[in-house]
Amino acid sequence: DSGVTQTPKHLITATGQRVTLRCSPRSGDLSVYWYQQSLDQGLQFLIQYYNGEERAKGNILERFSAQQFPDLHSELNLSSLELGDSALYFCASSVQRGAGDTQYFGPGTRLTVL
Amino acid sequence: ELKVEQNPLFLSMQEGKNYTIYCNYSTTSDRLYWYRQDPGKSLESLFVLLSNGAVKQEGRLMASLDTKARLSTLHITAAVHDLSATYFCAVDRDDKIIFGKGTRLHILP
Repeated sequence: DSGVTQTPKHLITATGQRVTLRCSPRSGDLSVYWYQQSLDQGLQFLIQYYNGEERAKGNILERFSAQQFPDLHSELNLSSLELGDSALYFCASSVQRGAGDTQYFGPGTRLTVL
Repeated sequence: ELKVEQNPLFLSMQEGKNYTIYCNYSTTSDRLYWYRQDPGKSLESLFVLLSNGAVKQEGRLMASLDTKARLSTLHITAAVHDLSATYFCAVDRDDKIIFGKGTRLHILP
């Protein structure tokens, strides 16, 4: 158990809908990262937050957005869902964004768009 | 554009043998990571390599980094079945992380 929690574990929805994925980092970790894993695209870094502020942005679509709240939990919002958004979404946390920082991954949310 | 290539993509090997997974990347980077993923599971961080010549070891796994050659290796010594998993390398440049496609390692008893 990494100490990172994600909810829900599974999510099935229809095209065009909007969903919110939630991540609670390990106690004391200030950074949260979001990743997408699919058969087509492999593993992709989406976005990172550090202590409530966006720190780095990867291949995140404009239909997707994220935020980190004062209690440090984070939410990833996916809107206007398409079939290709079906994937595993992982979040990870680390103490800070310093050199050599180890990331701890949550169990993931499996999103299926029908 | 930063690209990361791993090879091989699939490796089947006997227990007790040694082997190396290679990770090449196309431009300079700030950090290099190795991760492990068991089937149906999340990712586990194995190593973070920061500088040229860095070497880290954990059990039967050893990772090294040659920034001049833009190459990292993950060496497996005397493989055991428990090491069967998919191994990913990832390169971090300007806080953007790019993953390789992963190496699926299958260790036969």
